[in-house]
Amino acid sequence: QKEVEQDPGPLSVPEGAIVSLNCTYSNSAFQYFMWYRQYSRKGPELLMYTYSSGNKEDGRFTAQVDKSSKYISLFIRDSQPSDSATYLCAMSPLSGSARQLTFGSGTQLTVLP
Amino acid sequence: DTAVSQTPKYLVTQMGNDKSIKCEQNLGHDTMYWYKQDSKKFLKIMFSYNNKELIINETVPNRFSPKSPDKAHLNLHINSLELGDSAVYFCASSQASGGQQTQYFGPGTRLLVL
Repeated sequence: QKEVEQDPGPLSVPEGAIVSLNCTYSNSAFQYFMWYRQYSRKGPELLMYTYSSGNKEDGRFTAQVDKSSKYISLFIRDSQPSDSATYLCAMSPLSGSARQLTFGSGTQLTVLP
Repeated sequence: DTAVSQTPKYLVTQMGNDKSIKCEQNLGHDTMYWYKQDSKKFLKIMFSYNNKELIINETVPNRFSPKSPDKAHLNLHINSLELGDSAVYFCASSQASGGQQTQYFGPGTRLLVL
């Protein structure tokens, strides 16, 4: 079993829909949780960052972390065709001189105009 | 200005060859990484250097050898290339001290071994 599980999709939604992306994990040492967005043939870019449990909102994006269930989510409101990309969850434990990230396998999202 | 750059962007080569990929960051970060992304988009860390010192060395065949001549550069040399080495290789950098330690990724090097 992988440390981080993510439904690979593909997920296809109409423009304006609310999108829910999820990851589960098994390592209770993970404290930092991130969502990266990767457009086709590009490198991943950080979208959201959360420390420990709770919610964080940034514009149309909301990240949720439930450490008791070892479950994280990314919600996208009013989805746009420009949101079409692969979304990767990533997480890491505390400490270390370099934050070693463990990634999910990514969910491919297509928002249809 | 490109924050993290990699060369080459594409690399097509024969099995058994030796090749190098170069990475440079102009963000002033002290930590750099190499990741491998397979055809299913799974991104896995290979190596990390902090201030030119190797600090993460995952289970990677010793045909892969990273080299960091200075904090702004991290190169990856691959000996005796195999078909299974075909993937996209991403370089990333971050600042290790404090804050989010956000990792910034390069555009990737697409390696195809024939």
